[in-house]
This record gives sequence, structure tokens and C-alpha cells, in this order.
Amino acid sequence: QSVLTQPPSASGTPGQRVTISCSGSSSNIGINNMNWYQQLPGSAPKLLIYSNHQRHSGVPDRISGTSGSLAISGLRAEDEAVYYCAAWDDSLNGWVFGGGTKLTVL
Amino acid sequence: QVQLLQSGAEVKKPGASVKVSCKVSGYTFSSHGITWVRQAPGQGLEWMGWISTYNGNTNYAQKFQGRVTMTTDTSTNTAYMELRSLRSDDTAVYYCARGMWGYVPYSVSDYWGQGTLVTLSS
Repeated sequence: QSVLTQPPSASGTPGQRVTISCSGSSSNIGINNMNWYQQLPGSAPKLLIYSNHQRHSGVPDRISGTSGSLAISGLRAEDEAVYYCAAWDDSLNGWVFGGGTKLTVL
Repeated sequence: QVQLLQSGAEVKKPGASVKVSCKVSGYTFSSHGITWVRQAPGQGLEWMGWISTYNGNTNYAQKFQGRVTMTTDTSTNTAYMELRSLRSDDTAVYYCARGMWGYVPYSVSDYWGQGTLVTLSS
């Protein structure tokens, strides 16, 4: 049972815009920044978005973060991956993650 | 470029210990803390803890307190994570990751190692 809640799956066709939500509680995303990772099959997670909306180095501007969600515009086949949200939790004094959302490009 | 290179896969028996290494390059080792995260097969990410590469301070997840030790060797720019009393549910890929900002455990992890698979088998 993950501390942060994400939908288990999402999908879209090439060129579409998809959003992935992430919810938590007052001890994590209620007071701390949300961050997003992409994990391709068989690879380590890669940081996409930090501090709610800041893009990590090399992340294209078709990927964006808002308070509570990740948005990917102009969907491409290479976006097919699992996406995780993450935040610091003040009560647990540690990092917590969502269960991951598997994005399928149809 | 920033790189974190982890040690190779391990097979361990229940009750044993494992020590995973994470050798960094491309930045000043002591300027960024190291976080350890694990991922069981087909599961999500689980934070294990953090170590300051500046002064060795640690912050362990309560779940692993007493069973995990994180250390660093500044002479070789290497971080280590040792997990003891291994059991079957410790089978996972273990990742090290660099903290984006200096000396605090709540710094987001911006670069990750390739992962080390630890398999428990009797």
C-alpha cells in the first residue's frame, strides 16, 4: 500500500495529451513539493519534474508538472513507461512514493 | 557527466548480509548526499534511507532501522549500503541516487545508479 495514490494505468494515442494524478496527505504533498520520475522497462528511474513544476535537465517542455499531476503533451511511443510521484513526508521523516502509473501509447 | 556505478548482482541465503557499492564520478562526492531506494520484482519504489557524504550523518527508514547500515568512503568516492538478516522479501533491485541539493535527506534524487539485483535463495 503506497502512501501516495496514483491511478495504476493511463493511455493515449500519439499526439494526445495525458495527465497522471497523484494524491497524498497533509504530511507529504500537502506541505512539500511533488516530484515525478519516469521508469522505462529494465531501467532505473529518471527524474522528470522536481519542486512541483521544474523540469530536470534535458526534459522536453511537452512534459510539465502542476500541483498534483503530471502532464505529457504530444504523446510519443517512447513515452510508454511507468511514472512515479514522490514527496518528502514530514511525519515519516522520509521519502514516499506513489504506486506507479503505467502509461500505454496506443 | 554525473555517473553512479553500482556493484553487480548478488545471490544470498536467508539470514546472510549483503553490501552494495555505489561509485560516483562527474561531480564532487562530498557535495551531494546519497539516497538508497529498492524495488521488489514488479513492485514500486521504496525509500530505505540517506547518508550525508559530507559528515556521514544518516537517516534510515523506520522499517530498516537496526538492519541497514549506510557508509561512505570519500577516498574512493563510493557509498555503501549493507543490509543484514536477509529474508525472502528482500529480493529486489537496490538503487543509489544522488541528492540534488547538498546536505539534507529531503533533497530530491536527480541521478540514479543502474541498480543492483539482490536475490534471496535457499
